Amino acid sequence: DIVMTQSPDSLAVSLGERATINCKSSQNVLYSSNNRNYLAWYQQKPGQPPKLLIYWASTRESGVPDRFSGSGSGTDFTLTINSLQAEDVAVYFCQQYYSRPLTFGGGTKVEIK
Amino acid sequence: EVQLVESGGGLVQPGGSLRLSCVASGFTFGDYWMTWVRQAPGKGLEWVATLKYDVSEYYYVDSVKGRFTISRDNTLNSLYLQMNSLRAEDTAVYFCARSPPPHYYYMDVWGKGTTVTVSS
Repeated sequence: DIVMTQSPDSLAVSLGERATINCKSSQNVLYSSNNRNYLAWYQQKPGQPPKLLIYWASTRESGVPDRFSGSGSGTDFTLTINSLQAEDVAVYFCQQYYSRPLTFGGGTKVEIK
Repeated sequence: EVQLVESGGGLVQPGGSLRLSCVASGFTFGDYWMTWVRQAPGKGLEWVATLKYDVSEYYYVDSVKGRFTISRDNTLNSLYLQMNSLRAEDTAVYFCARSPPPHYYYMDVWGKGTTVTVSS
């Protein structure tokens, strides 16, 4: 199984500042035949289901604000939230879909400083 | 409006059974792979099972193989999860989610979840 490790577990960022969340996979999730990274990012607010933010490591889902961006390749990935807003307080999860079982990172809780 | 609504959760004793349902609306259910994902209290997300739109392929996480069965009825726009031989570690919120075609890789629409508690 591919293990997804997120860091940090939590972070507090001032409004308007940048939040950076890291996700590391135990195996490469870049499929060489199509040069795509099989990685997604989700946001989960308290009491709500997860919401898809990013897929293919860097493609923003329709309707997601452009302050959210994904980067990285292979085994190391980053979700960046530029100019943090109050409504961005949530837990963020990465997920690999390179191989079964689909696996998620443990989550990173983002709070306001 | 695209929507998924789960039901069927509840309190069950260890060794018991439950059947979860998920009713879809606002999209052509029969075109999508569908997935169950669970979240234990205060924990992260765990993929449980996935079923192809034409039921020709299905996959399970090892911990539920032989105990859980995923199924669907495209005429009723419904997804199901039959859960047998339940254990305490199956206690979680169970989410139904769809994946944009043609694959099951990531989930773009999620239901609000139904809570399963396994306890004596």
